[in-house]
Amino acid sequence: DIQMTQSPSSLSASVGDRVTITCRASQGIYNYVAWFQHKPGKAPKPLIYSASSLQSGVPSKFGGSGSGTDFTLIISSLQPEDFAIYYCQQYYSYPLTFGGGTKVEIK
Amino acid sequence: QVQLQESGPGLVKPSETLSLTCTVSGGSIYSYYWSWIRQPPGKGLEWIGEVYYSGSTNYNPSLKSRVTISLDTSKNQFSLKLTSVSAADTAIYYCARDTSFQHWGQGTLVTVSS
Repeated sequence: DIQMTQSPSSLSASVGDRVTITCRASQGIYNYVAWFQHKPGKAPKPLIYSASSLQSGVPSKFGGSGSGTDFTLIISSLQPEDFAIYYCQQYYSYPLTFGGGTKVEIK
Repeated sequence: QVQLQESGPGLVKPSETLSLTCTVSGGSIYSYYWSWIRQPPGKGLEWIGEVYYSGSTNYNPSLKSRVTISLDTSKNQFSLKLTSVSAADTAIYYCARDTSFQHWGQGTLVTVSS
């Protein structure tokens, strides 16, 4: 199985901050990475696919980068509605796997 | 816009079979992969398995011996059966489309308890 290691597991940030979340795959997975935002009681919201492609309707303050084993999600200017848990996911090989999540909290 | 909706019992007894259905609306069930994903309380997301529109399946090895995912194209639905459940199977269960999960259902909480 491909392990997806996310860091940090949690972070505190202020409105307007730039936030960076990283995800490392246990082996090379090209760009087969997606990112999701998850709020309590709601379905995970797709943000990014193919490591850097923005899902339709997702604001451009979200950005993804990386290939191979190292991937990054950036939120350029954190807003109140962005406080949530963020997950990366690889779809290069089975079983499909998620990172452990990064909880973004208000400072 | 495609929409997915999970349905099924919210309470299942230990050792029994958990059965859920996902109904797809606003789009065809053909030409896509359809997955089940779960999230135990306080934990992260776990992929359970998927069915392709052709009927072929892939399962997470950690659950493979207990899981069956099937498709009913006439109803635009796909289903999950998980046998011999225990408290460890208590979770929110989601259905989703594609291997990159571009569309999700709202999720349904299934509690395993006597």
